[in-house]
Amino acid sequence: GAGVSQSPRYKVAKRGQDVALRCDPISGHVSLFWYQQALGQGPEFLTYFQNEAQLDKSGLPSDRFFAERPEGSVSTLKIQRTQQEDSAVYLCASSLAFGGYSNQPQHFGDGTRLSIL
Amino acid sequence: GIQVEQSPPDLILQEGANSTLRCNFSDSVNNLQWFHQNPWGQLINLFYIPSGTKQNGRLSATTVATERYSLLYISSSQTTDSGVYFCAVNSGGGADGLTFGKGTHLIIQP
Repeated sequence: GAGVSQSPRYKVAKRGQDVALRCDPISGHVSLFWYQQALGQGPEFLTYFQNEAQLDKSGLPSDRFFAERPEGSVSTLKIQRTQQEDSAVYLCASSLAFGGYSNQPQHFGDGTRLSIL
Repeated sequence: GIQVEQSPPDLILQEGANSTLRCNFSDSVNNLQWFHQNPWGQLINLFYIPSGTKQNGRLSATTVATERYSLLYISSSQTTDSGVYFCAVNSGGGADGLTFGKGTHLIIQP
């Protein structure tokens, strides 16, 4: 009964480098979400996938942020040309909910703590 | 978009005390979840409660959807209850992103 798994747990990068963060959702979960949590704040929504389709990317802060889920399971959040304000915890969540079958909770991974120097 | 307000922002209690945390939201919701973020940053699901009342051990929650608020009750607090408690909602379908409140930072002193 594995939960949502994220890797790496911690990532340190220099400003300007590209980073890739991985999320392995709970098996069978159709929906996958990415959130960003700045220090001392609540998580904020970034993007949503239903299977392999990215249905909502309204929360992505800039075009340097890119997410994919090519086979409808594992997802990768990529940040290009990182900047110091990208430092945050990035959380992934998955859910059985999709479309009209909506009454299901979201389950969160432990997050990736990203520090940009 | 929907607004979520949590109160109090900070709460310091002695071990064994009871507490009530409140979450107000600005629009009707389809989903509401309570989470505990422990000092290691892990976000733990406590309740999925868009309406009604649920209990799990020392914790219980009530959501009055028509009045747009939810309450989380913690009884007989333990030091391991320390951390930040978040309320999160969405007003669309369950497959929409959650909007989180700013949280209640709870410290339980031995």
